[in-house]
Amino acid sequence: GAVVSQHPSRVICKSGTSVKIECRSLDFQATTMFWYRQFPKQSLMLMATSNEGSKATYEQGVEKDKFLINHASLTLSTLTVTSAHPEDSSFYICSAARQGGAEAFFGQGTRLTVV
Amino acid sequence: AQSVTQLGSHVSVSEGALVLLRCNYSSSVPPYLFWYVQYPNQGLQLLLKYTTGATLVKGINGFEAEFKKSETSFHLTKPSAHMSDAAEYFCAVSDGSYKLIFGSGTRLLVRP
Repeated sequence: GAVVSQHPSRVICKSGTSVKIECRSLDFQATTMFWYRQFPKQSLMLMATSNEGSKATYEQGVEKDKFLINHASLTLSTLTVTSAHPEDSSFYICSAARQGGAEAFFGQGTRLTVV
Repeated sequence: AQSVTQLGSHVSVSEGALVLLRCNYSSSVPPYLFWYVQYPNQGLQLLLKYTTGATLVKGINGFEAEFKKSETSFHLTKPSAHMSDAAEYFCAVSDGSYKLIFGSGTRLLVRP
């Protein structure tokens, strides 16, 4: 099957610091990766779409300077939350799709808590 | 534009009873439709998907869903609920581009 791994699964950081979340496709090459954000008891909201080797496409209302996305290889995308604040605390989930595939596969998510 | 509406933020059933989770969609193009399950603090697991072809789709863990174009619906059913089915369920739609639009989710509670 297709496995997508996120790391870390949980992270606590101090206000004002930056934190990086990794999303890896373990057994396939992901031409496209997606980053979602999920607030408690709410649905998933797409933040951005990243294609390998090009700039990410951000959804309306998502600050691209705050949520830096890098998709440097076909198996790795990273989301960096810069100058984190408590309101950035959330569950972040990535998904990855291979070219020509029928679906995108989800990572297990990262719980970010900013204190 | 695409959107998904899930009726009922919470659904409670008895163990062994029928599970019915409702999903209606809006799409200007032929939709791809998905149901995912999420357990606490975990990612999403795909239950089933409809792309083209047969409108009754069978998924994992005994779940199935039927695509009804005339009703713009894709309701999820399971004949007999198990305690392990208690989780959050999300319906999603895409235009085939892997980019998913999710519904608000339905929490399924299973009473012993």
